Amino acid sequence: AQSVTQLGSHVSVSEGALVLLRCNYSSSVPPYLFWYVQYPNQGLQLLLKYTSAATLVKGINGFEAEFKKSETSFHLTKPSAHMSDAAEYFCAVSEGNAGNMLTFGGGTRLMVKP
Amino acid sequence: DAGVIQSPRHEVTEMGQEVTLRCKPISGHDYLFWYRQTMMRGLELLIYFNNNVPIDDSGMPEDRFSAKMPNASFSTLKIQPSEPRDSAVYFCASSDPDRSGNTEAFFGQGTRLTVV
Repeated sequence: AQSVTQLGSHVSVSEGALVLLRCNYSSSVPPYLFWYVQYPNQGLQLLLKYTSAATLVKGINGFEAEFKKSETSFHLTKPSAHMSDAAEYFCAVSEGNAGNMLTFGGGTRLMVKP
Repeated sequence: DAGVIQSPRHEVTEMGQEVTLRCKPISGHDYLFWYRQTMMRGLELLIYFNNNVPIDDSGMPEDRFSAKMPNASFSTLKIQPSEPRDSAVYFCASSDPDRSGNTEAFFGQGTRLTVV
């Protein structure tokens, strides 16, 4: 069975500061890992994905994430926060079967202060 | 492609009424998922289909919920009778991991259901 834990349901940073959103997963097989972003009243948009290629994955809007098998982690980072980054972020895991049936973490709401 | 299309975007209904949510997946995608998002429970997978066949409906909360996929381009999620605790945002997503090599699910904009 697969599961995802996102530490911190709310994270607040100042504009220009480092963004770090934490994600830990459990999976019985090598996983596929995803970060999605959800803006208010919108659907989920893919930020980036890990599918067993490079462990450091770059996504849209300057975000990146590093897969660390030893730590079962896939933390999301961005060097410098922008006001437009304020949104909810979801980490998800798939075991690569069932058309990528995703199991989501609880989400982290990122707030960016001016 | 226009992406995954869901309708309606918003639905307000009275307790006890039947509600039908609709989804058109991306053309060529052979997996379709229904998710529910609430503050209390986050994003939950309700059911998914492969090639129009329901594969796993273990996430469907109870018999009041049913889902169908009569063809590759259309799916419905029905709640009958609806209850206030069904109020949530319902997302449809589709994927096609074999053909494209991509391994992501594409989400619709969601239907915000309010049962009063």
